[in-house]
Amino acid sequence: DAGVIQSPRHEVTEMGQEVTLRCKPISGHNSLFWYRQTMMRGLELLIYFNNNVPIDDSGMPEDRFSAKMPNASFSTLKIQPSEPRDSAVYFCASSSGLAVNEKLFFGSGTQLSVL
Amino acid sequence: QQPVQSPQAVILREGEDAVINCSSSKALYSVHWYRQKHGEAPVFLMILLKGGEQKGHEKISASFNEKKQQSSLYLTASQLSYSGTYFCGLRVNEKLTFGTGTRLTIIP
Repeated sequence: DAGVIQSPRHEVTEMGQEVTLRCKPISGHNSLFWYRQTMMRGLELLIYFNNNVPIDDSGMPEDRFSAKMPNASFSTLKIQPSEPRDSAVYFCASSSGLAVNEKLFFGSGTQLSVL
Repeated sequence: QQPVQSPQAVILREGEDAVINCSSSKALYSVHWYRQKHGEAPVFLMILLKGGEQKGHEKISASFNEKKQQSSLYLTASQLSYSGTYFCGLRVNEKLTFGTGTRLTIIP
C-alpha cells in the first residue's frame, strides 16, 4: 500500500512568492494533519481535517497560511506571500480517525526554503 | 501546551540502556511515541492508553502514569538502529501535540 504522499520534496522560492504544498493521504483514512518542523519549535500542528472538514486551524501562524481539503484524497497547504521565516519542513500525516488510539502515518515531508 | 521531554540528548554505547521521559501539565488520555531518523519522517512506535499500561516494541518499552501525567520510554540493550530523535505525542481533545524531542545517538 502506498503511504502518505507529499509533493514537492523540496521547494526553493523567493520571498513574496506563493507556495503550494500537496498531500495525498492513505486511502480510507478520514483524518489529515499538517505539521511544521523547525529546530526552534519542533513539530507544530498547523491544522487538521476530519472527513474533509477543517476541525482546528488554531496552529496556523498567520493569515498568509491557508489549507484546503477538497476531497478525501487530496489536501493543499498554501503560503501567500511567503517569507524567509516560513522555511521549515512541512509534514502531512493521516490517520483512520481522531480516537485516542489512532496512530499517525507521516509523509516524507516538503523541505521549504524561502530566500 | 507542548509536552516536555528529558533529556534533550543522550549518547550511548551500543548495548547500553536509556530512559526518555515525557511530562505534561494537562490531563492525558493517551501517549504516542514516534522515532524520526535524520532527514526522514517520524515513524510510529507505540500508543499507551490510560491505565498505567506498559507496551513493548523490539527492546523498547514504555509506561504511562496518568496521575503523574508522565510517560517514559525505555530502550534496553540499545542497537545502532535505535539512533534518531524520539518524540512523545499527547492526545488532548483530538489534537496530537508533540514534545520537544530527545536526540539519541548510539555509538559502536
